[in-house]
Amino acid sequence: GENVEQHPSTLSVQEGDSAVIKCTYSDSASNYFPWYKQELGKRPQLIIDIRSNVGEKKDQRIAVTLNKTAKHFSLHITETQPEDSAVYFCAASSNTGKLIFGQGTTLQVKP
Amino acid sequence: DAGVIQSPRHEVTEMGQEVTLRCKPISGHNSLFWYRQTMMRGLELLIYFNNNVPIDDSGMPEDRFSAKMPNASFSTLKIQPSEPRDSAVYFCASRPQQGSIYGYTFGSGTRLTVV
Repeated sequence: GENVEQHPSTLSVQEGDSAVIKCTYSDSASNYFPWYKQELGKRPQLIIDIRSNVGEKKDQRIAVTLNKTAKHFSLHITETQPEDSAVYFCAASSNTGKLIFGQGTTLQVKP
Repeated sequence: DAGVIQSPRHEVTEMGQEVTLRCKPISGHNSLFWYRQTMMRGLELLIYFNNNVPIDDSGMPEDRFSAKMPNASFSTLKIQPSEPRDSAVYFCASRPQQGSIYGYTFGSGTRLTVV
C-alpha cells in the first residue's frame, strides 16, 4: 500500500541556520506533495505544496524540491527563526485524493 | 469562510459509551477525510468520502468505528463502544474537487479521552 517515510524525527538548529526535512514515498502514482506545520495543540496548517510536474517551488524562506525518479521530496527552511519551531509533516496524494502523511519531524530552533 | 468546523472540541467519556464526532466541511469542497492523531502512530487516515460517497475505509481500525456523510455539508464519525485506546485527537479535513490547485484544509480537531 501507500507509504510515506519522513526523516529526521527530530531536528534542532540554531536560529539563522537552515533546516532540511526529507521524505520518500512508495506510490509511483503520487502527484501532489503538501507540507504541513503543526504547532502544539493546533491543527496541521498547509505551508507549501508541490505538484509532480514541478521540480522546485519556493515561498520566501521555505522551498520544496521533488525528485520523481527517486521518489524523494524535501522541505528547506532558510534563516530559521524561533517561531519556526513546530512539528512538520510531509504528505503524498495521487488522483484518488487519498492523502498519506509521514511520521512528522519535530523542529526546534534555538535562539 | 469559517473553515472546516468540528464539534465537540473536547470529549471525555467512559469506556463502553457511544461517541459521535461531527464535521462540517468547507462549502463547495467535494472530498472529506477523517484522521486520527496519536503520538505513537502519527496522523492516520481512517476514511474518506468523495461527493458524499465513502471511497476508502481501510484505515478504520475495527467495526466499532463507523462514519457517515448524509449530505455535502455534514459528516459524523461514531465509536461504539468506546475504549481507552481510542483516546486521540480526531481531525476532519476537506478539499475541493479533485484536480484543484488548492489543498486540504483541516478542522481544529476533537480531543477524545476515554476513561
